[in-house]
Amino acid sequence: DGGITQSPKYLFRKEGQNVTLSCEQNLNHDAMYWYRQDPGQGLRLIYYSQIVNDFQKGDIAEGYSVSREKKESFPLTVTSAQKNPTAFYLCASTRDTSPFQAPQHFGDGTRLSIL
Amino acid sequence: GEDVEQSLFLSVREGDSSVINCTYTDSSSTYLYWYKQEPGAGLQLLTYIFSNMDMKQDQRLTVLLNKKDKHLSLRIADTQTGDSAIYFCAVPPGSYIPTFGRGTSLIVHP
Repeated sequence: DGGITQSPKYLFRKEGQNVTLSCEQNLNHDAMYWYRQDPGQGLRLIYYSQIVNDFQKGDIAEGYSVSREKKESFPLTVTSAQKNPTAFYLCASTRDTSPFQAPQHFGDGTRLSIL
Repeated sequence: GEDVEQSLFLSVREGDSSVINCTYTDSSSTYLYWYKQEPGAGLQLLTYIFSNMDMKQDQRLTVLLNKKDKHLSLRIADTQTGDSAIYFCAVPPGSYIPTFGRGTSLIVHP
C-alpha cells in the first residue's frame, strides 16, 4: 500500500544536539511538507518542497533545516538553535497537480521530547 | 494571510448528531477539507467540498458551505464513541498551502 512513513515514532534530544526526523513516501508525490503540532494549536508549517533539490521556508522555519535530494524523501533536522523543540511533527505530501489545492496525505508523526 | 477559526471542544452523547463549525477569511479556495486525527496519529482526510457546492453528503457525514458568510460545517449523524477525535478544517487560499484551524476535540459520551 502507498503511504508516508515517518520514523522514529518517539525521539529524545539532549541539550545542544541536532536530531533528524525521517519522512519517506511511495505515493510518487512531488510536493512534501513538514508541520509542527502543539497541544491546542493547529498545524504550523515549517518547510515545504515542490520539487527535488528545492524547498521553501514556512511560517516557523527558524531552528530547522531540510533537504530534498530524492523525490520520496524529505528529512527534517531540528537543530540546537530551536530552543523549544518539544512537539509532535507531521510530514505530508500532495500529488503534483495543483499541489496546494489537492488533499494532503499525512504520516503518523514523530513525537520529539527534550531530555 | 488566511485565518481559520474553530471552537476547541465539543461534547455529545452517543447517538446524537455532532456539528463542528469552521470560519475562514480567504474565499479563493477551490476545495475545502475536513481531516480527522486520532490520538497519537497523523491526520486522515475525512471529506471535502468543492467551492461551488453548498452541501455534500457522504454516509453519516454532511458538509455545509456558506460562501457568503465564509462558514464551513461538518455534521456527523448518529455519533459513535469511535468518532471521538480531533477534527481539523483546512482551507487552501488561492495558490498557497492550506491553513488549518486549531482543531475541534470531539468527545462522545456513552
